[in-house]
Amino acid sequence: GNSVTQMEGPVTLSEEAFLTINCTYTATGYPSLFWYVQYPGEGLQLLLKATKADDKGSNKGFEATYRKETTSFHLEKGSVQVSDSAVYFCALSENAGNMLTFGGGTRLMVKP
Amino acid sequence: GAGVSQSPSNKVTEKGKDVELRCDPISGHTALYWYRQSLGQGLEFLIYFQGNSAPDKSGLPSDRFSAERTGGSVSTLTIQRTQQEDSAVYLCASSLATLRETQYFGPGTRLLVL
Repeated sequence: GNSVTQMEGPVTLSEEAFLTINCTYTATGYPSLFWYVQYPGEGLQLLLKATKADDKGSNKGFEATYRKETTSFHLEKGSVQVSDSAVYFCALSENAGNMLTFGGGTRLMVKP
Repeated sequence: GAGVSQSPSNKVTEKGKDVELRCDPISGHTALYWYRQSLGQGLEFLIYFQGNSAPDKSGLPSDRFSAERTGGSVSTLTIQRTQQEDSAVYLCASSLATLRETQYFGPGTRLLVL
């Protein structure tokens, strides 16, 4: 079956530091890949997505590239802000059904 | 426009009681999903509806869980004879169609079974 593995948190960074949150996946077909973010007290929001190999999703300074050869979709940001503090979820969906399979989530804490 | 809404936002119930959770998807979205977010299990898929097709119930953890979607819009998730391990945040999401479309999530219903 499908699965998503992401680095455990919490990840604690100082403001303006570089961020990487690793995500790898296992899937039988050719999934779409997503990063969702959950800010404190809020619901899940789509951050970015990529639907095929070598695609790069980007939003709000965050980027992730769909790497089929390494089955990875690592999230990066060059300079984090305190307002980026949240829980980040990597997820995939296959063609059929489109239900999302989520990783365990990574809590990011950015200190001023 | 309006997003996905869920009610109630919080629900406290006693073990053994039945509960109903409601989801109003974004207007025009044909696909609707239920997920559960719990400390021990993370985010899990429960069930999804697409148009008039039979729902995919493959994620429901037991026969105490059921869901329906009336008129292709509002959905109700019912948990019968609740157990303490049912305590979680129940999330609803909707999307325009199944294939590679973004799912938009509601704020969730936080269920606590005492």
